[in-house]
Amino acid sequence: SQQGEEDPQALSIQEGENATMNCSYKTSINNLQWYRQNSGRGLVHLILIRSNEREKHSGRLRVTLDTSKKSSSLLITASRAADTASYFCVLVQGAQKLVFGQGTRLTINP
Amino acid sequence: EADIYQTPRYLVIGTGKKITLECSQTMGHDKMYWYQQDPGMELHLIHYSYGVNSTEKGDLSSESTVSRIRTEHFPLTLESARPSHTSQYLCASSVTGGRTEAFFGQGTRLTVV
Repeated sequence: SQQGEEDPQALSIQEGENATMNCSYKTSINNLQWYRQNSGRGLVHLILIRSNEREKHSGRLRVTLDTSKKSSSLLITASRAADTASYFCVLVQGAQKLVFGQGTRLTINP
Repeated sequence: EADIYQTPRYLVIGTGKKITLECSQTMGHDKMYWYQQDPGMELHLIHYSYGVNSTEKGDLSSESTVSRIRTEHFPLTLESARPSHTSQYLCASSVTGGRTEAFFGQGTRLTVV
């Protein structure tokens, strides 16, 4: 399969807790990106990590990439209600097609 | 704020009609994409383009066709709509090079009755 596989498929946590989502893949990649989709703002790019990077930070987001295990994780710290959304791991391969995984549906409970 | 626009946002149309979903971007991006997404489901790439006069089929077979005559415009056409085409269609664009992040339009929700 050329797409990433997110785990878990659904996650429900309390506001203020940290949320961790994982993505595994089978092909070689140029870079890996994470996107968020909610009903209000549609699909939005969150963060990009290149194949030669191991960790990236952006605000409350932390992404790791382990190319030897072909896996990535997205950590959202101090979650807020506004973080409720679906999160997608996107592989960017040689031809620079963007291939989406199935996504993780994150629910933040007040 | 992303400068990529899709029209219409919602469309209800009868079986057998020909429809064109419009997508335009003002960012000068060379790559453009069409994705199909059912509610709560993954996005499937159905078409993409690397530039003017370049179009390729995506990973999901689709009866739709696309054209790329101008850099900023990437319309998707269904010659004869069927109920099985009911879905959300998302258009995106990106630029070749280091930053390959994609910008998405708000989508067109198509219902074929």
